[in-house]
Amino acid sequence: DAGVIQSPRHEVTEMGQEVTLRCKPISGHDYLFWYRQTMMRGLELLIYFNNNVPIDDSGMPEDRFSAKMPNASFSTLKIQPSEPRDSAVYFCASTLGPQLEQYFGPGTRLTVT
Amino acid sequence: DQQVKQNSPSLSVQEGRISILNCDYTNSMFDYFLWYKKYPAEGPTFLISISSIKDKNEDGRFTVFLNKSAKHLSLHIVPSQPGDSAVYFCAVRGFQKLVFGTGTRLLVSP
Repeated sequence: DAGVIQSPRHEVTEMGQEVTLRCKPISGHDYLFWYRQTMMRGLELLIYFNNNVPIDDSGMPEDRFSAKMPNASFSTLKIQPSEPRDSAVYFCASTLGPQLEQYFGPGTRLTVT
Repeated sequence: DQQVKQNSPSLSVQEGRISILNCDYTNSMFDYFLWYKKYPAEGPTFLISISSIKDKNEDGRFTVFLNKSAKHLSLHIVPSQPGDSAVYFCAVRGFQKLVFGTGTRLLVSP
């Protein structure tokens, strides 16, 4: 049974470039969350969707970040232009209903040089 | 303005002893409190939770304690095992979403 799938697992890019992170939630789950993990701030919620609709994007750091969920099985997080301070591990998680147990993907480690 | 604080970035414990991980929160309106565990190169996984109406919840070697007056949450692992070595995140639930702390890295040595 496939869990949450994220791609790529690692991304190295130069400052100013566009970065797109991808997520496939568990089939049937109706909530999707994007998180960012850093040493200083831990796991921060960036945005979450319910039934493909963005519900709360208050955690998105600035206009350089955008997220979409065009259908129930796919979501993207885009950073344009990327900056070195965006270097972090980005996680996607999904749930069926607003459950306590969120199922996380393995993450994408982003390095912006 | 961190709503959830884990003030110890790391903890080292010997195998067989008790591990105690601590967490403080600021808002008394949260209804559930949780612990997640994270191994390297993997996503976090749910470990244990406690409702705001309780003060203790046990699951095998893991017990979570909630002190609402102090706004303090702790996770006890007894006995600790080397396989417990991981980063532990505490989290609180607000409306439909979780707020996580910065994590505590636990190292259990044989």
